[in-house]
Amino acid sequence: DSGVTQTPKHLITATGQRVTLRCSPRSGDLSVYWYQQSLDQGLQFLIQYYNGEERAKGNILERFSAQQFPDLHSELNLSSLELGDSALYFCASSSQRELISEQFFGPGTRLTVL
Amino acid sequence: LAKTTQPISMDSYEGQEVNITCSHNNIATNDYITWYQQFPSQGPRFIIQGYKTKVTNEVASLFIPADRKSSTLSLPRVSLSDTAVYYCLVGDIIKAAGNKLTFGGGTRVLVKP
Repeated sequence: DSGVTQTPKHLITATGQRVTLRCSPRSGDLSVYWYQQSLDQGLQFLIQYYNGEERAKGNILERFSAQQFPDLHSELNLSSLELGDSALYFCASSSQRELISEQFFGPGTRLTVL
Repeated sequence: LAKTTQPISMDSYEGQEVNITCSHNNIATNDYITWYQQFPSQGPRFIIQGYKTKVTNEVASLFIPADRKSSTLSLPRVSLSDTAVYYCLVGDIIKAAGNKLTFGGGTRVLVKP
């Protein structure tokens, strides 16, 4: 158990819909990272927040957005969903600001878009 | 971030040592090398990180030659539970926001009985 929690575990929705994925980092970690893992794209970094502020941006689509709240939990919002958005979404946390650091990953949220 | 190249897959047997080499020819001065392990349907797990020479922890060793253009993750005496995908990452540990990070395809290690 990494100490990072993600909800929900599974999510099934339809194209065009909007969903919100939630992540609670390890106690004390200020950095939260979001990743998308699909069969054809591998594990892709989406975005990083550090202490409430966006710190690094990866291959995140404009239809996707994220934020980190004062209590340090984070949410990833996915809108206008497409079939290709079906993937495992991981959240990770770290005590460090840097992108390359020891990150602790949550169990993931499996999103299925029908 | 520096582009990395790893073998797609490797087979081994229980009790053997597994060495996975990652090529990163355009590694920059401030770049560190980090390895993660991932089991199916689980998030990756940090294994080891290093800058130069050799780093060892309780699960693995990381060998980095003087030119730092490659690195080798060494897993001693593997067991069936070491069957997983192993990812090599190279990037600046100090640099400010704006980096892109990708784990790439990784190396799928299969440990056989």
